[in-house]
Amino acid sequence: AQTVTQSQPEMSVQEAETVTLSCTYDTSESDYYLFWYKQPPSRQMILVIRQEAYKQQNATENRFSVNFQKAAKSFSLKISDSQLGDAAMYFCAYRTPNAGGTSYGKLTFGQGTILTVHP
Amino acid sequence: DTAVSQTPKYLVTQMGNDKSIKCEQNLGHDTMYWYKQDSKKFLKIMFSYNNKELIINETVPNRFSPKSPDKAHLNLHINSLELGDSAVYFCASSHRFRSAFGSGTRLTVV
Repeated sequence: AQTVTQSQPEMSVQEAETVTLSCTYDTSESDYYLFWYKQPPSRQMILVIRQEAYKQQNATENRFSVNFQKAAKSFSLKISDSQLGDAAMYFCAYRTPNAGGTSYGKLTFGQGTILTVHP
Repeated sequence: DTAVSQTPKYLVTQMGNDKSIKCEQNLGHDTMYWYKQDSKKFLKIMFSYNNKELIINETVPNRFSPKSPDKAHLNLHINSLELGDSAVYFCASSHRFRSAFGSGTRLTVV
């Protein structure tokens, strides 16, 4: 079974600084997807960034980028120029690959990291 | 229009009652899910339906019964509610690598 581990229960960063959230996972599959989700106090699950395992290039979305190390099964999220609105719980998630062209791969989540941004 | 909508957003009920949570998605996704987020914020899959067919049932008590009348709807019925059922329940849908979540239903059993 796949597992996802976030070893940092809490992290803090100063506004405008950079912070990195860690995530490791365990799988025997070669094709899968990895995600970072943000959950603010409103509890809405917001997709931050997605990485396909077959792509060597690290995904980036504006101030958010990942460091994907497939052999090490590591998937960290870097937030640059941190803003007050980045404060939230962040979840790393693994998705099993598609089967038969459908998408019933479930998401397996890490324990979450609470990010605090100080002004 | 909300992509994945679930109702109600809040539900407070007494132990032993039966309650339902409804979910609808207008994204045309072929797969829908129920996830449970416990008091420690841990998110775990409960059920998954693909084209109205149950494909994932993750060791959930049989007091929980999902129903999918069509591809756009997935409801969750819970019988004989217990204190430990208190949690936030998220509905989600997906197609290929894209997923969308509802805003969650906070269930409190007293």
